[in-house]
Amino acid sequence: AQKVTQAQTEISVVEKEDVTLDCVYETRDTTYYLFWYKQPPSGELVFLIRRNSFDEQNEISGRYSWNFQKSTSSFNFTITASQVVDSAVYFCALSESADRGSTLGRLYFGRGTQLTVWP
Amino acid sequence: ETGVTQSPTHLIKTRGQQVTLRCSSQSGHNTVSWYQQALGQGPQFIFQYYREEENGRGNFPPRFSGLQFPNYSSELNVNALELDDSALYLCASSPPIGTTSSYNEQFFGPGTRLTVL
Repeated sequence: AQKVTQAQTEISVVEKEDVTLDCVYETRDTTYYLFWYKQPPSGELVFLIRRNSFDEQNEISGRYSWNFQKSTSSFNFTITASQVVDSAVYFCALSESADRGSTLGRLYFGRGTQLTVWP
Repeated sequence: ETGVTQSPTHLIKTRGQQVTLRCSSQSGHNTVSWYQQALGQGPQFIFQYYREEENGRGNFPPRFSGLQFPNYSSELNVNALELDDSALYLCASSPPIGTTSSYNEQFFGPGTRLTVL
């Protein structure tokens, strides 16, 4: 069964601090995809990154970076020099490969981490 | 290119009533998935429609049902509303298989916030 755990329910930081959001996943599949989404108060899910299970390279995009470690089934997300606009709920999610022929791209979400950045 | 749209934006119903939520998929997308997001929780998969047929269902009772139309738009119907049905309902559409490598990417709409009193 697929499962995503985000142990941090809420995190508060002061602007310019670095913050890491943790994500641990469970799956029996060898091919899978991991995601991070941002959900501002408006409610819409904003896609941040997708990573497939065969690509363990860390990725950096501006102030955002992601650390994928298959050995520990973790896909952590770091925001460097946080800003007030980063305040939102962040979700980690897991998806099976569409090659399985089952439900196409069904996403399994964690419970989310509420990040508050204070000025 | 128009993204995924949902209507209405907000809705208030009372227990026992029925509700229909609508989703217009992104142009060229033939798969629609519905998710329920209760307050303080992550989105939970309700079901998916592919080529007008249900293609997978999460752990939701039969009073949650859906439709997909020939233009690939979709409806989510909930009968006999309960207080716990209060949530944000998200629709996501996906392009035809093979458009991207082995992944069926989902594009989310803005959601419908349902309140059951």
